[in-house]
Amino acid sequence: KNEVEQSPQNLTAQEGEFITINCSYSVGISALHWLQQHPGGGIVSLFMLSSGKKKHGRLIATINIQEKHSSLHITASHPRDSAVYICAPSEPPGTYKYIFGTGTRLKVLA
Amino acid sequence: NAGVMQNPRHLVRRRGQEARLRCSPVKGHSHVYWYRQLPEEGLKFMVYLQKENIIDESGMPKERFSAEFPKEGPSILRIQQVVRGDSAAYFCASSPEQASPLHFGNGTRLTVT
Repeated sequence: KNEVEQSPQNLTAQEGEFITINCSYSVGISALHWLQQHPGGGIVSLFMLSSGKKKHGRLIATINIQEKHSSLHITASHPRDSAVYICAPSEPPGTYKYIFGTGTRLKVLA
Repeated sequence: NAGVMQNPRHLVRRRGQEARLRCSPVKGHSHVYWYRQLPEEGLKFMVYLQKENIIDESGMPKERFSAEFPKEGPSILRIQQVVRGDSAAYFCASSPEQASPLHFGNGTRLTVT
């Protein structure tokens, strides 16, 4: 069993739709990153969270430490949101030892 | 205010040659991390450096791979005698402190022919 599992693996949505990407992990963590990787490969860190919920613009990330589950939500999706979204929990003790999921490939159609 | 700069973006090497990948962290960041992304796989941790020191190299192959982060200049990931299996995207990230969010570079795509 993979230590990090994301669902769905691929997702196609229409512009304006509300999108949810789920991440389940089996390791004990100190923090969790959500990353966005665009075609061409650049990686942007969207959120780093260790509890509760964070919001930035149209993006919302939640985490439930007890259930070892995190979700990334995109409201009012737009074609520019098309990218691979990667969940990366980190094992203690160092927060740099992230375990990266293989990502959810999102395509938003105009 | 430049982010993490990696160069080159693309690097082609023949088997047996050396590859040098450079990473300039965000100004003021003293923590640098290298990750490797093999085709169709997730990122994997390789090495964590703080100025002039290797803190953790547990994810880096013991042979042919080395990393440094000198007092002056960029961090360098060096791969000697490259083999086809080294073909991958290599990402560098930096942070001001260990527990801070990571800032990623755009990666160097290494192709070994």
